[in-house]
Amino acid sequence: EAQVTQNPRYLITVTGKKLTVTCSQNMNHEYMSWYRQDPGLGLRQIYYSMNVEVTDKGDVPEGYKVSRKEKRNFPLILESPSPNQTSLYFCASSLQGAAEQYFGPGTRLTVT
Amino acid sequence: QQQVKQSPQSLIVQKGGISIINCAYENTAFDYFPWYQQFPGKGPALLIAIRPDVSEKKEGRFTISFNKSAKQFSLHIMDSQPGDSATYFCAASMTGSSGSARQLTFGSGTQLTVLP
Repeated sequence: EAQVTQNPRYLITVTGKKLTVTCSQNMNHEYMSWYRQDPGLGLRQIYYSMNVEVTDKGDVPEGYKVSRKEKRNFPLILESPSPNQTSLYFCASSLQGAAEQYFGPGTRLTVT
Repeated sequence: QQQVKQSPQSLIVQKGGISIINCAYENTAFDYFPWYQQFPGKGPALLIAIRPDVSEKKEGRFTISFNKSAKQFSLHIMDSQPGDSATYFCAASMTGSSGSARQLTFGSGTQLTVLP
């Protein structure tokens, strides 16, 4: 089944404790992206990757890191999480470019 | 600065009625306008999309109307059903020099409730 998977789905952590949210796609897509969803703000892009080893900042990159060492994986790293990073995070991928993205099921992160 | 403005924030419609969600954009370089549908606990899913060379696109009960001069586009759901209850996001992107869009800019979302 073609899909984007994220792990974990739910995470509660404390301020400053480094964490990684994994994202994997099995569709051989070139483009991958991370978004955060907050009430009233829609989906805001954190980072994106047009292809392996190529990553770029989105609209809200502060406090996040990403890497794209393999085509299928695009982990999101929070080196020192803060409460304002409490949000619902989505990974997405598309065959080429940002159009027609397939979204994962989401990761709900709470930072206390 | 929000580049895609979406309204209304919430919408309640009776079964069988027409649901209309509106979006306005600022960047005239945008050339792809998709709508995404999100059910509770799920990720957004592409519903329908349009490019500015046409004024309307219809897929089943879902229609996008596009007004290039006004920089506005809207989603119409005909014969709305309770199963259509979801959050709807409009979005926009522009094709870069590489031939692919780099980013998708989303509206703030509309929570649609269709009453039985």
